Amino acid sequence: GNSVTQMEGPVTLSEEAFLTINCTYTATGYPSLFWYVQYPGEGLQLLLKATKADDKGSNKGFEATYRKETTSFHLEKGSVQVSDSAVYFCALSRISSGSARQLTFGSGTQLTVLP
Amino acid sequence: ETGVTQSPTHLIKTRGQQVTLRCSSQSGHNTVSWYQQALGQGPQFIFQYYREEENGRGNFPPRFSGLQFPNYSSELNVNALELDDSALYLCASTPAGGNSPLHFGNGTRLTVT
Repeated sequence: GNSVTQMEGPVTLSEEAFLTINCTYTATGYPSLFWYVQYPGEGLQLLLKATKADDKGSNKGFEATYRKETTSFHLEKGSVQVSDSAVYFCALSRISSGSARQLTFGSGTQLTVLP
Repeated sequence: ETGVTQSPTHLIKTRGQQVTLRCSSQSGHNTVSWYQQALGQGPQFIFQYYREEENGRGNFPPRFSGLQFPNYSSELNVNALELDDSALYLCASTPAGGNSPLHFGNGTRLTVT
C-alpha cells in the first residue's frame, strides 16, 4: 500500500539556520506530493506541492523537489525564522476506490526555531 | 472567501456515547473529506463525500458514518465511542476533480473518557 516516512523529530534550530526535513514515500503509480504545516491549535495548511517527477514546489522560502528515482520529497529552507516553528507533514495523494482523492500523511516533524 | 469551519471546537464524551461533528465547506467546494489525527500522529483518512454520497473510505469501522447536505456541508457521526476515538477530527474541502489541494478546517478536539 501507499505510505510516507518522515524524518523523526523534534528538530530544534537557531534562527537563520538551514533546514532539511526528509520525506520518502512508497506508492503505486504517480502520486502528487505535498507538504502541509500545522501551527499550534490549528488545522493543516498547504505549504507546497508537486504533481510530477522533477517538479519543484516552493512557497515562503520553503522548497521541495519530487524525486521519482529516490522516491523522495525533502523539505528545505535556507534560513529559518522563529515564526516557522510548527509541525510539518509530508503527504501523498492518490485516487482510492470509488474515485475519492485520499491523502496519506507521514507522522509529522516538530520544528522549533530559537531566537 | 469563507474557509472551512468546524463545530464544536472541543467536545468531551463518555465511552459508549454517540457524537456528531459538523463541517461547512469552503465556498465553491463540493467535496468534503474527514480525517482523524491522534495525538502526535499524522491525519488518517476516514471518508470522502461528493454529491451527498460517500465515494471513498479509509480503514475505519462502520460506526464511523457521515452525511453531506445539498449545501455541501457535512457531518461525521461516531457511535459507541471508544477511548481510542479521542483525537482531533479534521474536515477538508476541495472542488471536485483535478488535483486541487485540500483546504482544512481547524478541527474538533474529541476526548472520550
